[in-house]
Amino acid sequence: GIQVEQSPPDLILQEGANSTLRCNFSDSVNNLQWFHQNPWGQLINLFYIPSGTKQNGRLSATTVATERYSLLYISSSQTTDSGVYFCAVELDTGGFKTIFGAGTRLFVKA
Amino acid sequence: GAGVSQTPSNKVTEKGKYVELRCDPISGHTALYWYRQSLGQGPEFLIYFQGTGAADDSGLPNDRFFAVRPEGSVSTLKIQRTERGDSAVYLCASSLGSGGYQETQYFGPGTRLLVL
Repeated sequence: GIQVEQSPPDLILQEGANSTLRCNFSDSVNNLQWFHQNPWGQLINLFYIPSGTKQNGRLSATTVATERYSLLYISSSQTTDSGVYFCAVELDTGGFKTIFGAGTRLFVKA
Repeated sequence: GAGVSQTPSNKVTEKGKYVELRCDPISGHTALYWYRQSLGQGPEFLIYFQGTGAADDSGLPNDRFFAVRPEGSVSTLKIQRTERGDSAVYLCASSLGSGGYQETQYFGPGTRLLVL
């Protein structure tokens, strides 16, 4: 089956620093989403980005579908950015299965 | 409603018992998803509904798991003969479902199931 790999698995940042999270996937997909899971477990959709680049405040994402990767950029990180960041892909197999990566665990220190 | 809601928020049961988990999607969303998340892992897809029908149930682990959505809104995930390995957070998500493809998914807070 498709492999969704996220890196790095863990990341510690000083408040104000920038970071890049990566998601690689092993097969063609219909779409890709980035989510943030806060320390209380709530999953929030950040981007729906099957291709191209999107920006929302301090966050931006780029997906290069032909090369099977996506990047999430966090600029000027804040302590509230802490949590787990997941990418999730919908398989291009005619079904509706969504496959999540294992996540990047981010901790932003004050 | 304002968001996806799930009840109960926590459920403790004994091995072998039957449990039902409920999901109320965002009003007007025709697509509904169930996932299971174990500690330290990403959500694992279980089943996808478009309206009343299960369009993809390929993620259900075995025949002890079953889900329904009889009126195309509220969904119930049913687990028979629970096992300790079923302990996890069960997440529900919904999306507009209007485009014939997956769209932005909005997640509920989850039900934490513990099987003793």
